[in-house]
Amino acid sequence: AQSVTQLGSHVSVSEGALVLLRCNYSSSVPPYLFWYVQYPNQGLQLLLKYTSAATLVKGINGFEAEFKKSETSFHLTKPSAHMSDAAEYFCAVSDEDSNYQLIWGAGTKLIIKP
Amino acid sequence: EPEVTQTPSHQVTQMGQEVILRCVPISNHLYFYWYRQILGQKVEFLVSFYNNEISEKSEIFDDQFSVERPDGSNFTLKIRSTKLEDSAMYFCASTAGGSREQYFGPGTRLTVT
Repeated sequence: AQSVTQLGSHVSVSEGALVLLRCNYSSSVPPYLFWYVQYPNQGLQLLLKYTSAATLVKGINGFEAEFKKSETSFHLTKPSAHMSDAAEYFCAVSDEDSNYQLIWGAGTKLIIKP
Repeated sequence: EPEVTQTPSHQVTQMGQEVILRCVPISNHLYFYWYRQILGQKVEFLVSFYNNEISEKSEIFDDQFSVERPDGSNFTLKIRSTKLEDSAMYFCASTAGGSREQYFGPGTRLTVT
């Protein structure tokens, strides 16, 4: 069965600092991996996705993530945090075995300090 | 740009009442999903729907829940007799193909009193 683990329910970084949000997954077949962002009182917006092409995936708002099969990880990074990045970030996995339903991590709230 | 829409944005209902949450997926999409997010918790899969039938459902999706695609555009989630613990944000999503990203609606906040 699939599962997603996001390390750290809250991550706090200074504006301009590197953002690193961790995601590890388990899947018995090649997975599809996603990062979604949720701003306060809003819906879920896709940041980026991995679907078995390039292992380094670039998304919107300057975010990127690298799929590392050996580490079963898909960590999200951004070189320089901006105040507008403050939101909750969810990692999700899907695969063919589960009819592509999304299995979600618990989410990481990103706090940006001025 | 096409988007998934959901109505209402907020629904307040009394325990034991029936509610119907409505979604209009993106028009050329074939797979439809409902998820829920209880306040402060992770997003949970409820059900997926393809070719006019349920393709997968979670343990949460018990006999009190049902889904329907009554016409070519709407996709509804019905809760027959709501419980306090059904209070959550309910998200509808759709995708053109199973492996592609799911596009989410803005959600319906359901409050059961």
